[in-house]
Amino acid sequence: EIVMTQFPATLSASPGERATLSCRASESVGYNLAWYQHRPGQAPRLLIYGASTRATGIPARFSGSGSETEFTLTIRSLQSEDFAVYYCQQYSNRPPLTFGGGTRVDIK
Amino acid sequence: QVQLQESGPGLVKPSEALSLTCSVSGGSISRHYWSWIRQPAGRGVEWVGRIYSTRITNFNPSLRSRVSMSLDTSKNQISLRLTSVTAADTAIYYCAREPGLGLFDPWGQGILVIVSS
Repeated sequence: EIVMTQFPATLSASPGERATLSCRASESVGYNLAWYQHRPGQAPRLLIYGASTRATGIPARFSGSGSETEFTLTIRSLQSEDFAVYYCQQYSNRPPLTFGGGTRVDIK
Repeated sequence: QVQLQESGPGLVKPSEALSLTCSVSGGSISRHYWSWIRQPAGRGVEWVGRIYSTRITNFNPSLRSRVSMSLDTSKNQISLRLTSVTAADTAIYYCAREPGLGLFDPWGQGILVIVSS
């Protein structure tokens, strides 16, 4: 199976700062990479798919980039509601679908 | 707007079967794939498997021997059954729609299932 590795595990930042989250795949997944946001007590939410396409209703401060094995989620100017756990997930043709271990974005 | 809600026992005894239901509102389950995903406490998120309206299923190879899924189109529900459970199956279980193959949107709130005697 394709192993997804996210780093850092925890990122401490202040509101208004930029956050950069990384995700690495153990083999190429092309552009078949999604990002999810998970706030405590809420359902996880799809943010980005196709490595860089924002899902419906996702603010423009969220952006994704990368391909093959290296991917980045950038949150420009963190808002209070952005402090959450973020997961990357690959959906290449090789099952099973797999997730990264998550990056927790905490308030500094 | 499609909404999903998981339901089922929160406590299951070891070696027994875990059965969960996902009720879908705001859309028909006769379209799209529907997946179950779980997150054990302190561990990563794991895809369990999916089912399509034609009853086609795909499962995570790590669980394939113990998992089954079904649909009830009259009730707009998807069901998960996991047999021979152990403490390692203790997790929050989510159901999710796949609007595009392999993408999960939306998700249900999740249900905590504890395996313990």
